[in-house]
Amino acid sequence: DTEVTQTPKHLVMGMTNKKSLKCEQHMGHRAMYWYKQKAKKPPELMFVYSYEKLSINESVPSRFSPECPNSSLLNLHLHALQPEDSALYLCASSQDPGTGALGYTFGSGTRLTVV
Amino acid sequence: KNEVEQSPQNLTAQEGEFITINCSYSVGISALHWLQQHPGGGIVSLFMLSSGKKKHGRLIATINIQEKHSSLHITASHPRDSAVYICAVRASGSRLTFGEGTQLTVNP
Repeated sequence: DTEVTQTPKHLVMGMTNKKSLKCEQHMGHRAMYWYKQKAKKPPELMFVYSYEKLSINESVPSRFSPECPNSSLLNLHLHALQPEDSALYLCASSQDPGTGALGYTFGSGTRLTVV
Repeated sequence: KNEVEQSPQNLTAQEGEFITINCSYSVGISALHWLQQHPGGGIVSLFMLSSGKKKHGRLIATINIQEKHSSLHITASHPRDSAVYICAVRASGSRLTFGEGTQLTVNP
């Protein structure tokens, strides 16, 4: 299995809803990432988990809450989002958290719309 | 000035043409990545380079560490190559810094 699987592929949520995005990989990668991508812009790093511990939080608002229950799973819990949070949320993984060596694998993303 | 600059921003080609996308960066790096993103879709990692040249099918990527420059070439381009191509560099650790991307359109 050489994929990063993200679910759901599309999500529409209201500003008072609570929802979660899920990311799964079975490649034994020990670093996992959440990125946010607005239209026609490059991805922006949100969080990095290294060996299941949060190692980087790019000053992301607390309405986004990451969780890494085990080495294969990464969740992003969403609560009280704003319409400007609508974007493509990408998960990625890499084998070596220290160097990202052997490259990255990206998921296909969750297209989030906040109404 | 961005740490990673790509050119051109947009590129339109006819099927069969040879295509070059350029990437220049201003920081010392441990590796450079070329990524492909189709409309509305996820990102596919094409190449990771730290020196020299790599080839995969019709795609060739080169890097000149001294000049802080990399190029992505597509030979015999095809409409299915239409996508955004993103250059990203890794300076230290596992954090990537992305270029703004090059939108490639290949017409039949």
